[in-house]
Amino acid sequence: DAGVTQSPTHLIKTRGQHVTLRCSPISGHKSVSWYQQVLGQGPQFIFQYYEKEERGRGNFPDRFSARQFPNYSSELNVNALLLGDSALYLCASSSDRGYEQYFGPGTRLTVT
Amino acid sequence: KNEVEQSPQNLTAQEGEFITINCSYSVGISALHWLQQHPGGGIVSLFMLSSGKKKHGRLIATINIQEKHSSLHITASHPRDSAVYICALDYDKVIFGPGTSLSVIP
Repeated sequence: DAGVTQSPTHLIKTRGQHVTLRCSPISGHKSVSWYQQVLGQGPQFIFQYYEKEERGRGNFPDRFSARQFPNYSSELNVNALLLGDSALYLCASSSDRGYEQYFGPGTRLTVT
Repeated sequence: KNEVEQSPQNLTAQEGEFITINCSYSVGISALHWLQQHPGGGIVSLFMLSSGKKKHGRLIATINIQEKHSSLHITASHPRDSAVYICALDYDKVIFGPGTSLSVIP
């Protein structure tokens, strides 16, 4: 069975641009969570979606938004990119909150 | 005070040693996750605990809900165990601990 997949794997953008990151959960998983991991730090929670509804949101500015589609895949959008947005963006899927999370390989975003 | 703390921050062990990584937290949780992150970023979920003890191969994880403490043990450590081990709390959101960087020397 395919695990969590994310695309693209690497991305380079310039300041002020917009980026869309994509995540496909494990088949049957209805919950997708997004995390940001800045180099040298632990992951920080951005969003959780379950059944297409936002279930949780971390302490990130409104430039960060996400959505979940009927097939439970998800997109993370970041507007007006800043240098500090350079990070590894991780997606994890689970059956529901409180269930084991399975992580994707991440998308490494570099903002120049 | 951080909601979740780990100790030690860094750990170097000789191959074959028994290793313990600790996680302490200060909030009520629905579950606690132990994660392994290798250089390059990939994260693997090792355990999800809400009570008691779980074992998988050479890895053992325990949690004491009353004391708000969890431990990850690695028996017969091997260089391929070298990674960052992260404890993550699951309550109204997921919070990650700072991680413990483990290096196992042959």
